[in-house]
Amino acid sequence: DAGVTQSPTHLIKTRGQQVTLRCSPKSGHDTVSWYQQALGQGPQFIFQYYEEEERQRGNFPDRFSGHQFPNYSSELNVNALLLGDSALYLCASSLRSGTGNSNQPQHFGDGTRLSIL
Amino acid sequence: AQSVSQHNHHVILSEAASLELGCNYSYGGTVNLFWYVQYPGQHLQLLLKYFSGDPLVKGIKGFEAEFIKSKFSFNLRKPSVQWSDTAEYFCAVIPIKAAGNKLTFGGGTRVLVKP
Repeated sequence: DAGVTQSPTHLIKTRGQQVTLRCSPKSGHDTVSWYQQALGQGPQFIFQYYEEEERQRGNFPDRFSGHQFPNYSSELNVNALLLGDSALYLCASSLRSGTGNSNQPQHFGDGTRLSIL
Repeated sequence: AQSVSQHNHHVILSEAASLELGCNYSYGGTVNLFWYVQYPGQHLQLLLKYFSGDPLVKGIKGFEAEFIKSKFSFNLRKPSVQWSDTAEYFCAVIPIKAAGNKLTFGGGTRVLVKP
């Protein structure tokens, strides 16, 4: 049973560039969430996708955008990269059930380490 | 907006010692509570969760946590740690009436167990 897979594992970019990170959810999951984990901090919620639409969003600027595909995989795009965007980007998947899925545990991938020079 | 506080950033202890990590949250309504662990070089894994019922919940690897509603706390405990418990531990909450399952994490506690 495949867990959550993310690619690439590491990425180095320069300020002003754009980046795309990818995530394949755990088999059977239909909801994908993205988190940013800066060094020494806990993960912070960026947004969540379900049925190919952004359903929830955290306190991140519009430079952060995403997409979910019909096969439930997802991409995170960041434009106009800043030094402060250097972080570990985590993807988590879960199964949405009914209208209240707050009790559905999320399964995390290994993350993509993004470094901005 | 809800927030989660973990009192200790770093904990160092010897094998067989007891471990207790504090977690407090600020949210007036009912919440689901989680502890995640991140072993060196590995992804975040769910240790245990509390949704309702018995406030003392048991998780994997001998960990347990106690939900004290009056104190808005969900402290993690293990009676006797092993070297393999060296990891970073994160407390997280989801408001039970939330439309989705967005996790709000604490800042994490790094635990180093000396052999």
